[in-house]
Amino acid sequence: DAGVTQSPTHLIKTRGQHVTLRCSPISGHKSVSWYQQVLGQGPQFIFQYYEKEERGRGNFPDRFSARQFPNYSSELNVNALLLGDSALYLCASSPGQLGALNMNTEAFFGQGTRLTVV
Amino acid sequence: GNSVTQMEGPVTLSEEAFLTINCTYTATGYPSLFWYVQYPGEGLQLLLKATKADDKGSNKGFEATYRKETTSFHLEKGSVQVSDSAVYFCALSGVGNTGKLIFGQGTTLQVKP
Repeated sequence: DAGVTQSPTHLIKTRGQHVTLRCSPISGHKSVSWYQQVLGQGPQFIFQYYEKEERGRGNFPDRFSARQFPNYSSELNVNALLLGDSALYLCASSPGQLGALNMNTEAFFGQGTRLTVV
Repeated sequence: GNSVTQMEGPVTLSEEAFLTINCTYTATGYPSLFWYVQYPGEGLQLLLKATKADDKGSNKGFEATYRKETTSFHLEKGSVQVSDSAVYFCALSGVGNTGKLIFGQGTTLQVKP
């Protein structure tokens, strides 16, 4: 079975541009989460989507947005890119909603998209 | 707020040495605890997990025990190999319905032959 797939693997953008990152979850998984990992640090939570609805949002500006499609794949969009947005963006899928009561589930991560803003 | 603190790295060991990477957490309620591993240039892989107090997670020779009394989840391995060289992240989840994993800053392990 295919794991979590992300595209593209690497991306270089200029300040002020817009970027779209894509994620396909493991087949049968209904939840997708996005994380930003700056070099030398642990991943920081951006969003969780479950059944196509936003179920959690981290402390990121409104320039960051996401959505989940009927096939449970997801896009992360970042507008007006800043140099500080350079990072590894990780997508994670899980069968159920992480953090929900009575749901013992775990997250499976993709390889990530390395975004460089110049 | 909720947080995870890991021992600072890098940790450098010789092959077959004993490994301990300390992890402590601050959280309300009863979180689940995880160790993830990240090999160079790759995403995160779940190494092991524990969902309640006194649970022991184990995988590939690695172990960690959920200690509520000391709010700790230290990672151990009896005999490390060169192939264990990676960055290790401690994380918690399940606090509220926000759905997020909270990660520590990561500990780099380098094992020399």
